[in-house]
Amino acid sequence: SQQGEEDPQALSIQEGENATMNCSYKTSINNLQWYRQNSGRGLVHLILIRSNEREKHSGRLRVTLDTSKKSSSLLITASRAADTASYFCATDVGNQFYFGTGTSLTVIP
Amino acid sequence: DAGITQSPRHKVTETGTPVTLRCHQTENHRYMYWYRQDPGHGLRLIHYSYGVKDTDKGEVSDGYSVSRSKTEDFLLTLESATSSQTSVYFCAIIQGDTQYFGPGTRLTVL
Repeated sequence: SQQGEEDPQALSIQEGENATMNCSYKTSINNLQWYRQNSGRGLVHLILIRSNEREKHSGRLRVTLDTSKKSSSLLITASRAADTASYFCATDVGNQFYFGTGTSLTVIP
Repeated sequence: DAGITQSPRHKVTETGTPVTLRCHQTENHRYMYWYRQDPGHGLRLIHYSYGVKDTDKGEVSDGYSVSRSKTEDFLLTLESATSSQTSVYFCAIIQGDTQYFGPGTRLTVL
């Protein structure tokens, strides 16, 4: 399987703290994307980072990519209760997407 | 939501019966995907399509077939449903480099 893996599987933090989750993958990629899924809903795209980029920001999100280690991290700063969700990384390999197993984030008000 | 709908949204069926799930999109996207989501496995690709009548297998295609006779519709068929196919099924399209997902179909095979 080319599926990636997120770490940790579950994360619980207080509102206002930062949340960091990591993704490792197995093959060369075109880009890596992070998605969010609220309970019972479909996935929503958060941010894309291309294989030639090392860091990208979008609002309270910061993504890094290390292609030599085949890993990425997603940082959510100043977390809010509404950030409670599952977060997935996905690697794009020739128009096929491979998803990790997800990190379940709980932000406690 | 990139104009993606899935039907039915919920279905309960019995082992051995055929089941067809429908994904419909309104924006003429070329690529369409079917995934299943199970606890501990994330999303796994079943089949995808890169045009009318052009489809290919994904990671977990056994027991599933697909058809795309029109750009807007991508059908997923379970020829003879098994309990191991109880799952949530998501359809997706690509817009730019990003996938957009439908709301999902929850299928229970008894």
